[in-house]
Amino acid sequence: DTEVTQTPKHLVMGMTNKKSLKCEQHMGHRAMYWYKQKAKKPPELMFVYSYEKLSINESVPSRFSPECPNSSLLNLHLHALQPEDSALYLCASSQERGGDTEAFFGQGTRLTVV
Amino acid sequence: QQPVQSPQAVILREGEDAVINCSSSKALYSVHWYRQKHGEAPVFLMILLKGGEQKGHEKISASFNEKKQQSSLYLTASQLSYSGTYFCGRRGGGSNYKLTFGKGTLLTVNP
Repeated sequence: DTEVTQTPKHLVMGMTNKKSLKCEQHMGHRAMYWYKQKAKKPPELMFVYSYEKLSINESVPSRFSPECPNSSLLNLHLHALQPEDSALYLCASSQERGGDTEAFFGQGTRLTVV
Repeated sequence: QQPVQSPQAVILREGEDAVINCSSSKALYSVHWYRQKHGEAPVFLMILLKGGEQKGHEKISASFNEKKQQSSLYLTASQLSYSGTYFCGRRGGGSNYKLTFGKGTLLTVNP
């Protein structure tokens, strides 16, 4: 199984809502990532977890809160988002070998903030 | 720190070749190449490491010039399935998972 599964595929939320994005992989990967991708732009790294510990936080606003409850799951909790946060949110995973290994991406959650 | 890709877009007919370039003003410890089709997830193509090691798919070829801090992806005898946006990613070094992607090259292969 070489899949990274993200749910939901689409999400529309108001600026006062609280929602969560979920990501799951069963490849035994110990590095997991959240990326944000705007239309016609490259993916931008938000967070990296290594062995369930937050390794990198790219100065992401606190309205985005990541969580890694176990080695297979990664969540992104959303609260009080702004319309400019509308984007495709991609989860990825890779083997924990210092960064130079293949990353497997999920299909993403397309988020619209209204 | 974002690598620079060229060209921004290229249109080919099936069977033609293309080269996509990636350069960095900062030190390149490794270069990662991904392809993303419209509405789909990025898919891994290749990693090029300092010292000449490569990891990737057999049908894809690429080069990495460490001195010039440049990498090139070679797409030969293109197929319709090659269409998509190609991103190169720069990793700065160390045990660091941060990959910074270039703006992408949109490749369109027509019949």
